[in-house]
Amino acid sequence: AQSVAQPEDQVNVAEGNPLTVKCTYSVSGNPYLFWYVQYPNRGLQFLLKYITGDNLVKGSYGFEAEFNKSQTSFHLKKPSALVSDSALYFCAVRDMEYGNKLVFGAGTILRVKS
Amino acid sequence: GAGVSQTPSNKVTEKGKYVELRCDPISGHTALYWYRQSLGQGPEFLIYFQGTGAADDSGLPNDRFFAVRPEGSVSTLKIQRTERGDSAVYLCASSPRPLRGPDEQFFGPGTRLTVL
Repeated sequence: AQSVAQPEDQVNVAEGNPLTVKCTYSVSGNPYLFWYVQYPNRGLQFLLKYITGDNLVKGSYGFEAEFNKSQTSFHLKKPSALVSDSALYFCAVRDMEYGNKLVFGAGTILRVKS
Repeated sequence: GAGVSQTPSNKVTEKGKYVELRCDPISGHTALYWYRQSLGQGPEFLIYFQGTGAADDSGLPNDRFFAVRPEGSVSTLKIQRTERGDSAVYLCASSPRPLRGPDEQFFGPGTRLTVL
């Protein structure tokens, strides 16, 4: 069975500092991994995905994520946080061999303070 | 172009009533998904359509929940005999060609269902 863990309920960071939002996953086979962001009263927005190849994936709004197979992690990063990055972030996994169901983590609230 | 739309945006109903939630996917997207998001949790998969047929309905919690997509475009999620525990945000998503690769899913704004 697929599962995703986001160990931090909330991450606080000062504007201009680097940010990391953690995600670990579990699948039977090989994973497809995704990050989505949710702003208040808005739908989930796709940020980036890992399919195969380069372990460092670059996405929207300056975000990137690093796939680490040995640690089964897919942490979201950004070199310099903006106040406007404050939102709820979800990591999701899909098993490559097992259909299209996305399994989401519980989410991490990111607060960027000026 | 237009994104995924869902109607109504909010629905308040009484325990025991029947509700229908509608999803209009992005034009041309063959795959459609329903998820349920409870407060403080990530979205949970309910059902997946490929075209008109339900390819995976393993996430439907019980037989009070049913979904259709008769013409392969618009989908309706139907909940019978609603219970207070059904209160959540119901999210719809679509993707273009799921069987040909790991396309990301595009989500609608959701329908917030409140069962009193």
